[in-house]
Amino acid sequence: EAGVAQSPRYKIIEKRQSVAFWCNPISGHATLYWYQQILGQGPKLLIQFQNNGVVDDSQLPKDRFSAERLKGVDSTLKIQPAKLEDSAVYLCASSTRLAGTAYEQYFGPGTRLTVT
Amino acid sequence: AQSVAQPEDQVNVAEGNPLTVKCTYSVSGNPYLFWYVQYPNRGLQFLLKYITGDNLVKGSYGFEAEFNKSQTSFHLKKPSALVSDSALYFCAVRDISGGSYIPTFGRGTSLIVHP
Repeated sequence: EAGVAQSPRYKIIEKRQSVAFWCNPISGHATLYWYQQILGQGPKLLIQFQNNGVVDDSQLPKDRFSAERLKGVDSTLKIQPAKLEDSAVYLCASSTRLAGTAYEQYFGPGTRLTVT
Repeated sequence: AQSVAQPEDQVNVAEGNPLTVKCTYSVSGNPYLFWYVQYPNRGLQFLLKYITGDNLVKGSYGFEAEFNKSQTSFHLKKPSALVSDSALYFCAVRDISGGSYIPTFGRGTSLIVHP
């Protein structure tokens, strides 16, 4: 079984530029998550999808971050414009379970973003 | 509000010795509790979870964790550590009574197993 795929693995941009990350979850997984992991901290959930609908985006900075999962499969996370404090690893995860259950998540390798 | 604490930034143990990685939590209702492991340049991997029932939960790679409601703890344990267990370990909690689907992760504990 193929795991969660993410691209790119690394990205360096200047502040105020835009960036997009892509995630392809495990086949058949209905639920998809985006996390931000700042160095020295645990992952922080940004947004959770179930199929192509948003379950929770209460921790997503909507003035600059956006995410979509149009066909209920792969997803993109965008930052526009980027700030220095957005430097982090962005993790995508998926789960076969429905939101609200005691799910375990399967994580991708992450995209390391450096904003200069 | 829910929170989780991993009081140790780093745990050092000799190969073959038992290991414990500590986690305490705070929730308003009842918790779902999880442990994940992160190897360098790789995503997090699920180890084990507590939902309900037996307080001792067994997971992958010989790890286990004990849920202690009175002490609000969920410590990760392994009877005999391996060098390959060296990694970053994260505890996570979700308050199933809170109406939120958001898990909260701890800051992580770096486990170093010396040969």
